[in-house]
Amino acid sequence: AQSVTQLDSHVSVSEGTPVLLRCNYSSSYSPSLFWYVQHPNKGLQLLLKYTSAATLVKGINGFEAEFKKSETSFHLTKPSAHMSDAAEYFCVVSAANTNAGKSTFGDGTTLTVKP
Amino acid sequence: NAGVMQNPRHLVRRRGQEARLRCSPMKGHSHVYWYRQLPEEGLKFMVYLQKENIIDESGMPKERFSAEFPKEGPSILRIQQVVRGDSAAYFCASSPGQETPQYFGPGTRLTVL
Repeated sequence: AQSVTQLDSHVSVSEGTPVLLRCNYSSSYSPSLFWYVQHPNKGLQLLLKYTSAATLVKGINGFEAEFKKSETSFHLTKPSAHMSDAAEYFCVVSAANTNAGKSTFGDGTTLTVKP
Repeated sequence: NAGVMQNPRHLVRRRGQEARLRCSPMKGHSHVYWYRQLPEEGLKFMVYLQKENIIDESGMPKERFSAEFPKEGPSILRIQQVVRGDSAAYFCASSPGQETPQYFGPGTRLTVL
């Protein structure tokens, strides 16, 4: 079984300040973890992925995430928010050894960036 | 390399009609996944298919919903006798294999009147 909890449904930051979007997961097997972004009325775009290589993962648009097994966390960060970062962000877990290979999505975090 | 294609992008149906949603995976991808996003909610897994096979349909409603991924052509998600509660965004994703990132299409927004 696997699950994902995004700890904040809404995060609001000022432009130029750091972004932190929190994600905790549970998985019976070694997980692969992903962050996706969804802009209004758009499809999903892959930001970054962790697949058992380096624990600090760098993605697109200046985002990065750190896999912490002891804390079962995969928080998404960015040093300086930009107005274009305003969107919905989804943390996703996909565990090896599942017959389906299906992904489990968190409920999403809405990021608002204030000027 | 074109991304995952979904059509139509918007679909309006009246209660009781049928809805057919199409998904063309990325070139070289043989795994297709369908997800549903209800208003104000996250994405929920529906079904996972490989060519001509349904691998996991644990997220599919037991009635009215079906999916296929034929040897030739796109994957089809079919909803019979639609009801208002079926109104949602339906996303398709594809991947070259299990545990590889899934690349998502733009979604089909179904509105049931």
